[in-house]
Amino acid sequence: DIQLTQSPSFLSASVGDRVTITCRASQAISNYLAWYQQKPGKAPKFLIYDASTLQSGVPSRFSGSGSGTEFTLTISSLQPEDFATYYCQQLNSYPMFTFGGGTKVEIK
Amino acid sequence: QVQLVQSGAEVKKPGASVKVSCKASGYTLTNYAFHWVRQAPGQGLEWMGWIDGGNGNTKYSQKFQGRVTITRDTSARTAYMELSSLRSEDTAVFYCARDSHSTGMAFDIWGQGTMVTVSS
Repeated sequence: DIQLTQSPSFLSASVGDRVTITCRASQAISNYLAWYQQKPGKAPKFLIYDASTLQSGVPSRFSGSGSGTEFTLTISSLQPEDFATYYCQQLNSYPMFTFGGGTKVEIK
Repeated sequence: QVQLVQSGAEVKKPGASVKVSCKASGYTLTNYAFHWVRQAPGQGLEWMGWIDGGNGNTKYSQKFQGRVTITRDTSARTAYMELSSLRSEDTAVFYCARDSHSTGMAFDIWGQGTMVTVSS
């Protein structure tokens, strides 16, 4: 099974900060990676697929990059509504799509 | 409007089974697959299994193999996830989600979640 390791697991940041979250895969997965945002008590919201393609309606301050085993999610200027937990998901081994452990972004 | 609507919260005793439903609307069910994801309180997302909406093929995470059964009823436009031999560690929110070829098979639509509490 492909394992995904996110880092950090927790980060504290201020509005306007640039934030980067890393997701590492236990084996190469090309660009078959998605990112989700989850707020407390809500279902995850789909943000990015194919490692770097923004889902329709997602603000352009979100971006994704990477291929192979290392990927990043960047928020260029953190907004109040961005405080949430972010998960990566590998889409390489259909249909067994595992998730990373999550990164909680909190207000400093 | 494309959406997935799940059944309501459940309280079960240890050893019992629970069956959660996920009704699809706004799209052709047989063209997509359903996945089920578990999230224990304060924990991350855990993929449980999948069913092809067209042919009904299934695949399950090894962790849940033998305890989980995923089915679908195309006429009812509904997928189901049944988890048996419940234990306290199964207390969690269960989500259904749809994958889509147009988004690299990522989960573009999610149900609202169903809370299952296992308690004696």
